[in-house]
Amino acid sequence: AQSVTQLGSHVSVSEGALVLLRCNYSSSVPPYLFWYVQYPNQGLQLLLKYTTGATLVKGINGFEAEFKKSETSFHLTKPSAHMSDAAEYFCAVSESDFGNEKLTFGTGTRLTIIP
Amino acid sequence: EAEVAQSPRYKITEKSQAVAFWCDPISGHATLYWYRQILGQGPELLVQFQDESVVDDSQLPKDRFSAERLKGVDSTLKIQPAELGDSAMYLCASSLTSSRGNEQFFGPGTRLTVL
Repeated sequence: AQSVTQLGSHVSVSEGALVLLRCNYSSSVPPYLFWYVQYPNQGLQLLLKYTTGATLVKGINGFEAEFKKSETSFHLTKPSAHMSDAAEYFCAVSESDFGNEKLTFGTGTRLTIIP
Repeated sequence: EAEVAQSPRYKITEKSQAVAFWCDPISGHATLYWYRQILGQGPELLVQFQDESVVDDSQLPKDRFSAERLKGVDSTLKIQPAELGDSAMYLCASSLTSSRGNEQFFGPGTRLTVL
C-alpha cells in the first residue's frame, strides 16, 4: 500500500523568501511522485513529477523538487516566493495496478505569502 | 488550451435528494477519474474509467453512488439519496491513457453542499 505524509498543513513565508513544502511517501514499488497546486475553488494543476532518471525535477512557476530515496522524501522548493504562489499544494504517489495508475494524495499544505 | 469541463460548479441540496454531476474530459483522453475531496483533505479516487468500462470502483459507495460513461466520452456521477457527509468537492480528471506516469488533468470541480 502507498501513502503520502505532508508535514505542516499550513506554511507561511514572506514574499521573496524560500518556500519549502515537505512530503514523505511510502510505496511498495519504485515510486512515481507528483506535486499539484490548487487555487481556491479550482481543480488541481500539475507542478512537476518524478518518474525515473534525474532526481532533481524542475516544474512550472519556478518550483523544483528532489527525490531522495534514502529519506523517502520529495520536498518542494522555490527560491523566492511570490504573492501568486498562495495556494494549496498536494503531494501524490502513484502505484500501477495492472497498468491502471492510481494516485494517492497527501492531505495538502496551504501556503500563505506574507507581503 | 483543452480543458476538462464540469457542471454544475456549485450544488446545494437537501439530504435524501438525488444529485448528478457531469464531466466532459479532454478530447481523446481514454481514462476518466472521479475524485471526492473533503474540505481540508486531498482528493480520494471514487471511480476510474478506461473508455466506457469501469476499471476501479473499489472506493465508490455503491449503495448510493453510481457512475457511467456510456459512449466513452463524457461521464455522469450520481448520488441518491444524498447524505450530510457527502458534502465535498467532486473533481473529474482525465488522462490520455492509464499508463503509469501519465498526467491527469483536472476540471474545476463541483462543490456539493448537503443540508
